[in-house]
Amino acid sequence: EPEVTQTPSHQVTQMGQEVILRCVPISNHLYFYWYRQILGQKVEFLVSFYNNEISEKSEIFDDQFSVERPDGSNFTLKIRSTKLEDSAMYFCASSRGRSSYNSPLHFGNGTRLTVT
Amino acid sequence: AQSVTQPDIHITVSEGASLELRCNYSYGATPYLFWYVQSPGQGLQLLLKYFSGDTLVQGIKGFEAEFKRSQSSFNLRKPSVHWSDAAEYFCAVGPQRGNMLTFGGGTRLMVKP
Repeated sequence: EPEVTQTPSHQVTQMGQEVILRCVPISNHLYFYWYRQILGQKVEFLVSFYNNEISEKSEIFDDQFSVERPDGSNFTLKIRSTKLEDSAMYFCASSRGRSSYNSPLHFGNGTRLTVT
Repeated sequence: AQSVTQPDIHITVSEGASLELRCNYSYGATPYLFWYVQSPGQGLQLLLKYFSGDTLVQGIKGFEAEFKRSQSSFNLRKPSVHWSDAAEYFCAVGPQRGNMLTFGGGTRLMVKP
């Protein structure tokens, strides 16, 4: 069964550095998402992306975050200047359609980001 | 604003015993409801989903969930737990349009031999 793949599985970075998290969504999916889970807290929606633009974003997704689909297969999340509170597990997901019911999300295994 | 509450952070059951994981939600409109499972080192896998119709829905791995509108609940059940069911379970609600899911805090299930 096709999978969403994320790299790296664990990334350590220093506060203030830029970091790029990478994801390869399922090939025939059109909608892409980033969620995150701070240790011990809930999984939270960050952003959804369709047709090369952001379709929805949460209040967490501020100016230090950006997303891109640079080459038709990868989907990236960039954090411009990392803060300690950005330490979390970041999940990429994709879906074929927009409806959460008819086109449920397929999640990757996550990238654990540690900011020191 | 929507919210999902999973009252039990940890649950331990014996292998072969029955399981019920609780989920309560608050949502302004008719929600889509989901249960996801996360095994160690893995992503979130969809177990089952509900929108309308029969209030008892069947999912993968022998799981089922019952929607009770009067209690705003969507509890997950399994008649006989296997050791491989040890994982973290997340209840979520989603809108009719879009995939911006709101998750509960998760319930970590441990299975005793």
